[in-house]
Amino acid sequence: DIVVTQSPDSLAVSLGERATINCKSSQSVLYSSNNKNYLGWYQQKPGQPPKLIIYWASTRESGVPDRFSGSGSGTDFSLTISSLQAEDVAVYYCQQYYTAPYFFGQGTKLEIK
Amino acid sequence: EVQLVESGGGLVQPGGSLRLACAASGFTFNQYWMHWVRQAPGKGLEWIARVNGDGYTTSYADSVKGRFTIARDNARNTVNLQMNSLRVEDTAVYYCVRPQTGAAYAFDIWGQGTMVTVSS
Repeated sequence: DIVVTQSPDSLAVSLGERATINCKSSQSVLYSSNNKNYLGWYQQKPGQPPKLIIYWASTRESGVPDRFSGSGSGTDFSLTISSLQAEDVAVYYCQQYYTAPYFFGQGTKLEIK
Repeated sequence: EVQLVESGGGLVQPGGSLRLACAASGFTFNQYWMHWVRQAPGKGLEWIARVNGDGYTTSYADSVKGRFTIARDNARNTVNLQMNSLRVEDTAVYYCVRPQTGAAYAFDIWGQGTMVTVSS
């Protein structure tokens, strides 16, 4: 099984500042035949289902603001919000979809400082 | 509009059974794998099951293997989750999820979820 672990568990950032969340997989999720990292990021606001914001580790989903970016390869990944807005308060999850079972990270709660 | 609508949640006693349904619309249903993901109250996301487009290939998380069964009806555009031998720890919101395409793709379409409570 490929387990993913996020850090930190919670994060408080001032409006307009940068927020970075890390995700580490227990094995590489880079598929050599297509050079894609099978890693996604989701945003979940209270009372709502999760929303996909980044896939292939660094591709923004349609409609997602460009202040959101994903980076990393192999086993180490990051989600960065370049300038935090009030509407970005949420819990963020990474997920590996390289192979079943498709583990999610434990979540990072992002708040305003 | 692409949409997934879950139903069938409710209160059930430990050891009991429940069948969840997910109605899909707005896309060619039989071309997509379908998944169920759950979230216990105040907790994170847990992937629990998947089924391929023709319904013949399934996978389960260890936590539900042997107790839950995922199946689909492509004529009705539905995917079901039969849950037997329910435990208190199965209490969660259950989401029906569609990946972007294929087996190994990110989950881009989520239903609103249906709540299952296992309690005596």
